[in-house]
Amino acid sequence: DIQLTQSPSSLSASIGDRVTITCRASQTISIYLNWYQQKPGKAPTLLIYAASSLQSGVPSRFSGSGSGTDFTLTISSLQPEDFASYYCQQSYITPRTFGQGTKVEIK
Amino acid sequence: QVQLVQSGSELKKPGASVQVSCKASGYTFTRYGMNWVRQAPGQGLEWMGWINTNTGNPTYAQGFTGRFVFSLDTSVSTAYLQISSLEAEDTAVYYCARGDSSGCDHWGQGTLVTISS
Repeated sequence: DIQLTQSPSSLSASIGDRVTITCRASQTISIYLNWYQQKPGKAPTLLIYAASSLQSGVPSRFSGSGSGTDFTLTISSLQPEDFASYYCQQSYITPRTFGQGTKVEIK
Repeated sequence: QVQLVQSGSELKKPGASVQVSCKASGYTFTRYGMNWVRQAPGQGLEWMGWINTNTGNPTYAQGFTGRFVFSLDTSVSTAYLQISSLEAEDTAVYYCARGDSSGCDHWGQGTLVTISS
């Protein structure tokens, strides 16, 4: 199975900060990497698919990059509604594993 | 609009079985696969597997074989997750999510399954 390692596991940031979360795959997955946001008590929502494609309706402050084994999710200017947990997922091959998650908290 | 509506919370005893349903609307059901994802209390997301809604062929992740069964009723655009021989460790929120190699773009609201004697 492909393992996804996210870093950091948690971070504290302020409104307006630029935030970067990384996701490393244990083997190459081309661009088959997706990012999700999850708020407490809610289902996840898709932010980015195919490494860098913004899902419809997602604010442009979210962006994704990378290919192969190393990927990044960036929030260009953190907003109050962005405090949540973020997960990467590979869809290159089954099982479509998730990373362990990154919790973004208010500083 | 696309909607996935799951059945309500369940409280079960160890050894019992449970079925979670996921009713889809707003799109052609057989055009997208259906994934199942588990989230134990305070934990991350765990991909359980998916079912091809066109062929009915399920694929299970390791750790979700044997007691877990994915099925469909395409006549009512509904996917099902059945778990048998429930254990305390099965306590979790279970999500259905529409998607394929481009990620899961629509999710059900989640179904909390609690196992307690």
